[in-house]
Amino acid sequence: GQQVMQIPQYQHVQEGEDFTTYCNSSTTLSNIQWYKQRPGGHPVFLIQLVKSGEVKKQKRLTFQFGEAKKNSSLHITATQTTDVGTYFCAGRSGTSYGKLTFGQGTILTVHP
Amino acid sequence: DTGVSQDPRHKITKRGQNVTFRCDPISEHNRLYWYRQTLGQGPEFLTYFQNEAQLEKSRLLSDRFSAERPKGSFSTLEIQRTEQGDSAMYLCASSLDSRGTGGQPQHFGDGTRLSIL
Repeated sequence: GQQVMQIPQYQHVQEGEDFTTYCNSSTTLSNIQWYKQRPGGHPVFLIQLVKSGEVKKQKRLTFQFGEAKKNSSLHITATQTTDVGTYFCAGRSGTSYGKLTFGQGTILTVHP
Repeated sequence: DTGVSQDPRHKITKRGQNVTFRCDPISEHNRLYWYRQTLGQGPEFLTYFQNEAQLEKSRLLSDRFSAERPKGSFSTLEIQRTEQGDSAMYLCASSLDSRGTGGQPQHFGDGTRLSIL
């Protein structure tokens, strides 16, 4: 079945440093979504990418979808303590219109 | 928009007992999803409904698990003869219907934490 892998599993940064998490799927995706889960909270939708090579920005966050639609990345510029949490990518394949397959997430800690 | 509501927030039960969880989605959302999440892992898809129809079920889902959404509004997830390995956070999410290759954002509830003694 479809597998979605994320690296790294953990990332510790000093406030102000940049952060990147990478997501790779075993199969081609129709779209990919990114979610953030704060400690003790539930996943919250950040963004969706649909087109090959798509790049979207949300303030300090930059999301990319690979040309082959099998990989994606999230980059945060100049991290802040409010960025702390677990970042998940979640992919949807063309054969399943409802199922999202989540990666295992990258846990980000930011030291002030 | 009152968000996705799940009940109970916590459930502690002995191995072998049956448990049932409830999820109330955002009212205008016709899609409802169940996930299971364990520590250090991402949400694992269990099943989803479009209105009252259960359209997809994970192959990993044991026949001890059953979900319903009888009137296309709230949903219940029942686990029969619980086992230690069922201990997890059970998350419900809802969304509008997807269009084409684009999905819709899923809105998650706070989950039900199940602990099996």
